[in-house]
Amino acid sequence: DTTVKQNPRYKLARVGKPVNLICSQTMNHDTMYWYQKKPNQAPKLLLFYYDKILNREADTFEKFQSSRPNNSFCSLYIGSAGLEYSAMYLCASTKSDRDEQYFGPGTRLTVL
Amino acid sequence: GDSVTQTEGLVTLTKGLPVMLNCTYQTTYSPFLFWYVQHLNEAPKLLLKSSTDNKRTEHQGFYATLHKSSSSFHLQKSSVQLSDSALYFCALRASSGSWQLIFGSGTQLTVMP
Repeated sequence: DTTVKQNPRYKLARVGKPVNLICSQTMNHDTMYWYQKKPNQAPKLLLFYYDKILNREADTFEKFQSSRPNNSFCSLYIGSAGLEYSAMYLCASTKSDRDEQYFGPGTRLTVL
Repeated sequence: GDSVTQTEGLVTLTKGLPVMLNCTYQTTYSPFLFWYVQHLNEAPKLLLKSSTDNKRTEHQGFYATLHKSSSSFHLQKSSVQLSDSALYFCALRASSGSWQLIFGSGTQLTVMP
């Protein structure tokens, strides 16, 4: 099974409320990524886990949290959603000695 | 720093015509380029990849050649089909060594009957 699963597919959140997005894969990939994609923009890397080590991009360091309780599962957490968080969130995974990143179908987050 | 540029945001073509989607990149590292395709409501999927200069790589009727001299990796197909309508992303493996991908902004290809 080479699929990456994401839940939920659609999420509606209120400004100021927390949001938790979930990603899972059963390919035993050591690296999992979270990207944010807004219309007409390139997917932007937010953070990634290599094994248990979390790496967050400098410009989004304080906005997003993540956890990876086991190899298969990774979450993206927004503590207090703002309107600017409305976007598609893509999860991807890879084995560090391989080339290809496998993507999930994304979670479309709308903040009102 | 690393960057990828896709100049066309939208491309609309009639079925059976050829297409070329542009991709240029900037990196100080040895380039490894990818094309991903995302159909509506589906996950992005790898279409092509290459790190070899001047070698054509092909898959599902699409092809691309990495040209290091011009920093390009354009995606081509000789005859588009209705099912090719999708969002196409060009991506570059980042030089940071963490297997990150740097994406272009994407090209939406729409094929008309």
